[in-house]
Formats: sequence, C-alpha cells, structure tokens
Amino acid sequence: EIVLTQSPGTLSLSPGERATLSCRASQSVSSSDLAWYQQKPGQAPRLLIYGASSRATGIPDRFSGSGSGADFTLIISRLEPEDFAVYYCQQYGRSFTFGGGTKVEIK
Amino acid sequence: EVQLVQSGAEVKKPGESLKISCKGSGYSFTSYWIGWVRQMPGKGLEWMGIIYPNDSDTRYSPSFQGQVTISADKSISTAYLQWSSLKASDTATFFCARCQLPYFPYYGMDVWGQGTTVTVSS
Repeated sequence: EIVLTQSPGTLSLSPGERATLSCRASQSVSSSDLAWYQQKPGQAPRLLIYGASSRATGIPDRFSGSGSGADFTLIISRLEPEDFAVYYCQQYGRSFTFGGGTKVEIK
Repeated sequence: EVQLVQSGAEVKKPGESLKISCKGSGYSFTSYWIGWVRQMPGKGLEWMGIIYPNDSDTRYSPSFQGQVTISADKSISTAYLQWSSLKASDTATFFCARCQLPYFPYYGMDVWGQGTTVTVSS
C-alpha cells in the first residue's frame, strides 16, 4: 500500500502569506492520480486539486498543485481567512490512500 | 443539484450490527463510483473502500477488508456501509463521496455526503 506523508504537520501563517504544503509518497505515483482536499471543522472535505495540478470546479486560482513521481506540493499563494483549515493529499492510482494532513492555522 | 445525503447519527452498543446509507440525487447514480471514508475523533481521513453501483464491483482498503461490507441498491440510488458486530473502536464519522470521473474511480472525489457519526459505547 502506498503511504503518503504530509509535512509540515502544522503551518502557522498570517493572512496574505504564501503556504507551501508537501506530500511525499512511499513509491512513485502517477501525476494523474494525486488529489488535494480541504477540510474545515465539522464539515466534509472539499476537492481542491486533482491530477496533481488541475483545479476542481469553483476553486480559486490562489490554489495550485504541482509535482511528480513521489513529491507533490500544494501552494496557496495568498492566504485568505477562509483558507485556514486542514489539507489532505490522496492518491487514487493503486488503491486509495490519504496523507495524514497539514493544518494551516492563523499565526 | 448533485448531492449525497447520508443517514443520521447512530448510537450503538458493542456487538450490535449497523447499516448506514448514502443516497445520491441530481446525477446518474449508476455511472459514478462511490467511496466511503472514516474519520475517527480528532484524526485524519482514512479510505475504506469503493463501489460501482451499476454492477456492485467493490474494492476495499486492506485495513477494512473483512471488517465492513459496502453495498449499493441502484434502484433507489443508495450506497451502504455495514458492520455485523460493532466495536468501540468503530466510533467515528463516516463520509460517502462520489468519484469525479464517470465510469472510472479516478480524479478525486468531488461530491461528499454530510457525514454520519457513529458512536459505539456500552
């Protein structure tokens, strides 16, 4: 089973700053098989990025994804107040697995 | 509107059985894979398994194989997650979600149910 390791566990930033989140796979993942989600307390996750770099419907362009092989990155270019949440990566190539999550909190 | 609506919260005792549901509407239910995701209190997301309602092709995470049963009734556009004998460690919130791409379990999960909280306690 592919293990996804997200770092850092927590990111403390201020609104307007840039957030860089990492997702590392235990073995190579096809770029088409990597997604990112946002989850706020008490809510279901929301799909942000699929295929490593394609934004889902309605997702603002301050969210961008990149990467290949075993290393993937989610960047939020300028944090808005509503972006403070937990972010998960997921691979859906060989079975499905989620990373452990990165919490983006207000500094 | 495309949506998945899950059944309500449950409180059960260890050893009891349970079946929770996820009803799809606003789209062709039989054309999209539906997955189930567990979230234990204060923890991350865990993928449990996935089903294609058109033919009930089902795939389980190794961690959940044999622990739960995923099924679907396409006549009423509903997917199910069931346990035959609950344990306290099954206490969690369970989400159903639709895979974005029709016919294939790819491109992430774009529509999510609201979650069903299951509490197992004696």
